[in-house]
Amino acid sequence: DGGITQSPKYLFRKEGQNVTLSCEQNLNHDAMYWYRQDPGQGLRLIYYSQIVNDFQKGDIAEGYSVSREKKESFPLTVTSAQKNPTAFYLCASSPDTGHFPYEQYFGPGTRLTVT
Amino acid sequence: EDQVTQSPEALRLQEGESSSLNCSYTVSGLRGLFWYRQDPGKGPEFLFTLYSAGEEKEKERLKATLTKKESFLHITAPKPEDSATYLCAVQALRVGRFKTIFGAGTRLFVKA
Repeated sequence: DGGITQSPKYLFRKEGQNVTLSCEQNLNHDAMYWYRQDPGQGLRLIYYSQIVNDFQKGDIAEGYSVSREKKESFPLTVTSAQKNPTAFYLCASSPDTGHFPYEQYFGPGTRLTVT
Repeated sequence: EDQVTQSPEALRLQEGESSSLNCSYTVSGLRGLFWYRQDPGKGPEFLFTLYSAGEEKEKERLKATLTKKESFLHITAPKPEDSATYLCAVQALRVGRFKTIFGAGTRLFVKA
């Protein structure tokens, strides 16, 4: 079955610790995205990548970092510089972002709690 | 400023009571509008894409329509399993890529 996997489903960390969220897709999609979802708000874009070894900041990139070394993988690191990291994190992918408005396909999400 | 507003924030229906969810947008250069369904604690699931005003798409009890300013998701004779949050998103072309703007969603509760 093709799809997107995220791990872990739940993650608990202490303040001051960096944490990395995993995202893998086997849909052969070029573009991958990281969103943050908070209650009562729309999904907000953290980072996106249109191609391997390239990624761009989204609307709320401060305190986050990513890498795209393989087409299938787009891990997100939440650093200690992120002031309010507790949220539901969603990874998504789509065939392309530059030539046609494709829909995005989402993973199951990771709920991060920082205390 | 690009904006997507969904209304109502929450909607409670009895089973079989048809209704509509609204997604209004102020986005220049719209290229596509998407509807997703999201169950609690899960990722959004893609439902429909609409590309131009006047277009309609249907799937089971759901029908999505698009005008130049808004989209509606009509739910006919809903069942309890239709309870979920419905998200609307628009895409516009911005500096060589498609930017996606999501609305905050409408939480739908269908009571048996």
